[in-house]
Amino acid sequence: GAVVSQHPSWVICKSGTSVKIECRSLDFQATTMFWYRQFPKQSLMLMATSNEGSKATYEQGVEKDKFLINHASLTLSTLTVTSAHPEDSSFYICSAQSAGLTQYFGPGTRLLVL
Amino acid sequence: GQNIDQPTEMTATEGAIVQINCTYQTSGFNGLFWYQQHAGEAPTFLSYNVLDGLEEKGRFSSFLSRSKGYSYLLLKELQMKDSASYLCAVILEHTGANNLFFGTGTRLTVIP
Repeated sequence: GAVVSQHPSWVICKSGTSVKIECRSLDFQATTMFWYRQFPKQSLMLMATSNEGSKATYEQGVEKDKFLINHASLTLSTLTVTSAHPEDSSFYICSAQSAGLTQYFGPGTRLLVL
Repeated sequence: GQNIDQPTEMTATEGAIVQINCTYQTSGFNGLFWYQQHAGEAPTFLSYNVLDGLEEKGRFSSFLSRSKGYSYLLLKELQMKDSASYLCAVILEHTGANNLFFGTGTRLTVIP
């Protein structure tokens, strides 16, 4: 149980394009989903928290107009990196949380912006 | 701000025991998690402590002292596959949600 999927697992795109990443909880309903970013040899940094049907809460320093989050249902959240630039290249990981405090992580999406 | 500290790297021998420490200074505390992360993969849940004391789960144990802001993860009978990063994360109640704040992670290398 508690499986979280992400799609795609790998994205290579040109600078200026937008990229959408999906996060799904496969066997449970996630009241809250989280988006993290991880640069090489660094730990996970929380970008934003989203609850189904409401606006995401962004961490300080994360541009909400650049990283659009939609949490349309209890099993799906999407992160759209708009007008991506090379400095946005990173490993993006989502997690999902249901009734308890444990967060279950997706397999991550590696984004490379050329 | 939040501050979570772990050693950056550790090396241990196959079959041995290793203890990975984590100290934290945070505003608010709802518990502490340990996650294992292999290179290029997402973290997987190992343990959760909210009360003081030791939680044992097979080869892995986790200890918490809330008064000292200190936790450790104990790995016994080390195997080569235990080579990974171990992430200490404190859960905080923040803007209505329960958010995880991660330490920098400890990269453990198990050698034969």
